[in-house]
Amino acid sequence: SYELIQPPSVSVSPGQTAIITCSGVKWGDKSACWYQQKPGQSPVLVIYEDNRRPSGIPERFSGSSSGNTATLTISGTQAMDEADYYCQAWDSSLVVFGGGTKLTVL
Amino acid sequence: QVQLQESGPGLVKPSETLSLTCTVSGDSISSYYWNWIRQPPGKGLEWIGYIHYSGSTKYNPSLKRRVTTSVDTSKNQFSLKLSSVTAADTAVYYCARQSYDPSPFDYWGQGTLVTVSP
Repeated sequence: SYELIQPPSVSVSPGQTAIITCSGVKWGDKSACWYQQKPGQSPVLVIYEDNRRPSGIPERFSGSSSGNTATLTISGTQAMDEADYYCQAWDSSLVVFGGGTKLTVL
Repeated sequence: QVQLQESGPGLVKPSETLSLTCTVSGDSISSYYWNWIRQPPGKGLEWIGYIHYSGSTKYNPSLKRRVTTSVDTSKNQFSLKLSSVTAADTAVYYCARQSYDPSPFDYWGQGTLVTVSP
């Protein structure tokens, strides 16, 4: 079965750059997305089509891709960015989520 | 502003059918793709499937046998039924919108916890 693999956890100091990877992405005409989920809240879309940001998402969030890996980068990480992050892609038009990465801002 | 709100029983007995409704406000349901996504406590997200306002559906193969969805355009609502539930179906259930297929989930409901227990 199709799996998207994310590191379970990533730690970063405030002001530094956080990098979260998502491996196993099958590219085609569909691109990866990233969601942020804070405790007790619903997920929020932060990146789509590999590197586009919805309205209201800070510029410090960016996305990229290389090979079979999608990457979420948070530049100048702030304490408010501490959350779980999920990548999402498609497998033959069926939605697949990564296992999630807990970002800790130390 | 588009808002989605899940509703339904918070407790379901094993082997029974879980039923949830999502009410959409701020936009017509007569467009877009309307999804169900769940998250077991402390775990990751799992896509259940979608229904288009036209009635077309697509489901996660792992759940397809037990899932039924429907849409009521007059009430701006769509619904989920999951049959033969077990404790493994205990989760927060979210409804979410896609503008087209495939596209990201741009609006989500707040989620509702459904516990499967005798």
